[in-house]
Amino acid sequence: EPEVTQTPSHQVTQMGQEVILRCVPISNHLYFYWYRQILGQKVEFLVSFYNNEISEKSEIFDDQFSVERPDGSNFTLKIRSTKLEDSAMYFCASKQGTTETQYFGPGTRLLVL
Amino acid sequence: GQQLNQSPQSMFIQEGEDVSMNCTSSSIFNTWLWYKQDPGEGPVLLIALYKAGELTSNGRLTAQFGITRKDSFLNISASIPSDVGIYFCAGQLGGSQGNLIFGKGTKLSVKP
Repeated sequence: EPEVTQTPSHQVTQMGQEVILRCVPISNHLYFYWYRQILGQKVEFLVSFYNNEISEKSEIFDDQFSVERPDGSNFTLKIRSTKLEDSAMYFCASKQGTTETQYFGPGTRLLVL
Repeated sequence: GQQLNQSPQSMFIQEGEDVSMNCTSSSIFNTWLWYKQDPGEGPVLLIALYKAGELTSNGRLTAQFGITRKDSFLNISASIPSDVGIYFCAGQLGGSQGNLIFGKGTKLSVKP
């Protein structure tokens, strides 16, 4: 069964460093999302992406964040200058069409020291 | 921002018991989803609901989309140890690009 994959599974970085989290959505899906989950808390929406542009973003998704679909398969989330409070699990999700449901990847656990 | 109130926060039950959890909101949703999350993993979709009043089953799981479109419940019948995990409801608002609003989760523990 097709699934969303994410790399790396874990990333440790120093405060102020840039990180890029990678996702490969399900191949025929058109809508892509990033969510984050701080340890012990609920999953929070960051950004949605469709037709090569951001379609919606939350307050969390400030100027330090950016997303890109550099080729036909990858979908990346970049944090330009990480802060301690960026430590969280980051989940990528994708769906095929407007009425479809989202499927989540296994997540990248980011730890900022 | 939009809020989903999910309850209970946690449950400790005996194997074989039935479980019920629910989510409510002051907002109207056009889709309700129920996910299960195991430690260190991503949410796994259990049931998706698209119409008010819809009642859908997936094995021992049953979920309903409330008629007012502001609530949903999930029932698990005859629980087994592998049901352990955190269950999240998630709703999609009408007019959004599909971003989901999640509840805070219900942590289920099952005693054999």
